[in-house]
Amino acid sequence: ILNVEQSPQSLHVQEGDSTNFTCSFPSSNFYALHWYRWETAKSPEALFVMTLNGDEKKKGRISATLNTKEGYSYLYIKGSQPEDSATYLCAFNGGATNKLIFGTGTLLAVQP
Amino acid sequence: EAQVTQNPRYLITVTGKKLTVTCSQNMNHEYMSWYRQDPGLGLRQIYYSMNVEVTDKGDVPEGYKVSRKEKRNFPLILESPSPNQTSLYFCASSAGRNQPQHFGDGTRLSIL
Repeated sequence: ILNVEQSPQSLHVQEGDSTNFTCSFPSSNFYALHWYRWETAKSPEALFVMTLNGDEKKKGRISATLNTKEGYSYLYIKGSQPEDSATYLCAFNGGATNKLIFGTGTLLAVQP
Repeated sequence: EAQVTQNPRYLITVTGKKLTVTCSQNMNHEYMSWYRQDPGLGLRQIYYSMNVEVTDKGDVPEGYKVSRKEKRNFPLILESPSPNQTSLYFCASSAGRNQPQHFGDGTRLSIL
């Protein structure tokens, strides 16, 4: 059974703090690693899809890195704002199929 | 506007009464998936489809059927719903395995 784990489970930070979360995934048969942002009462929205070892992607204050050899990805948020409050999900795709395995997410709460 | 449309958004029904949740996308995406979201378990893939007439099981396919007769539509069928299928369901589509998933707004099913 493939396992995707995210840590921490939840995080409370103050406005302006920078923060990061971890996604761990199987290091064999890697194809892609997805990051999504999921606000309450909405549907998940894509942040990044990463495919290459060592890849770094950035969107505004949010960035992500990927290490496929050791099976982890970091998501960074610089200068957190209250509107960054959401659950951040990662998802692993491996092998030859479109099967996507999601982690249970990191719930971020940013206090003004 | 590019979107994934699910119907219905909410449904309360009784055990054993067949139901279908429709999903349609207007982005000409080849890949489509169904997920269920349960507290503490994250998003779990039910079925996915990589093209017309090509479907495959995800992690939790028991009790569900799907069909992909046209590229734009991917209905989820519960032939004999049971209370353990009470959940929040999401349909998603993408242009490829290394492309982001676009999620519908979700369907909340309650099976009594």
